[in-house]
Amino acid sequence: QSALTQPASVSGSPGQSITISCTGTSSDIGGYNYVSWYQQHPGKAPKLMIFDVSNRPSGVSNRFSSSKSGNTASLTISGLQPEDEADYYCSSYTTSSLVVFGGGTKLTVL
Amino acid sequence: EVQLVESGGDLVQPGGSLRLSCAASGFTVSSNYMNWVRQAPGKGLEWLSVTHSGGTTYYADSVKGRFTISRDNSKNTLYLQMNSLRAEDTAVYYCASGRERYTRLDYWGQGTLVTVSS
Repeated sequence: QSALTQPASVSGSPGQSITISCTGTSSDIGGYNYVSWYQQHPGKAPKLMIFDVSNRPSGVSNRFSSSKSGNTASLTISGLQPEDEADYYCSSYTTSSLVVFGGGTKLTVL
Repeated sequence: EVQLVESGGDLVQPGGSLRLSCAASGFTVSSNYMNWVRQAPGKGLEWLSVTHSGGTTYYADSVKGRFTISRDNSKNTLYLQMNSLRAEDTAVYYCASGRERYTRLDYWGQGTLVTVSS
């Protein structure tokens, strides 16, 4: 199974909004509403930020939101804060009952 | 408090074997979707495998036939038996759990490093 496609890097200034895209196929993102997003700070374990396309776990800031259109999911972070600087990964369920991750996007807060 | 603690990472020669463990506390592995995910140095996350109480297991193509996921409910521990190791298996290996489904990994361990090199 091929990895989902994410931009290698995005950047934004504090207070701004950024969007990270995650493109798959009809066999993964397009076929199911099981897209998740994870945040990973250097040297740390990933943290679940979004599940089932647009749901936030308890404790995750409402500055994080996500949606899906066709084969592409998008994570938006509004009101950027320095602590948002991290790597972000999308993931999706696939027709083979497997899970596939995106290649990851490095977010830099300028 | 939910906690996952991996262990067993080591330096191993190509072709060798290794067994990783993931001890859980604060919840029971038998009632959760238990996963292994790895991250090669400087690279992204790669989902490897999942097991659930019904006995269902799935594997990524990259490890199918070489790795085996299992759990010991009495020890509340998840395992990953890795055979025929290759240099490209070098990575930090994380265990992660999902209460409702394995596409939603709620809790992660801190990871254990496996290095495959001669």
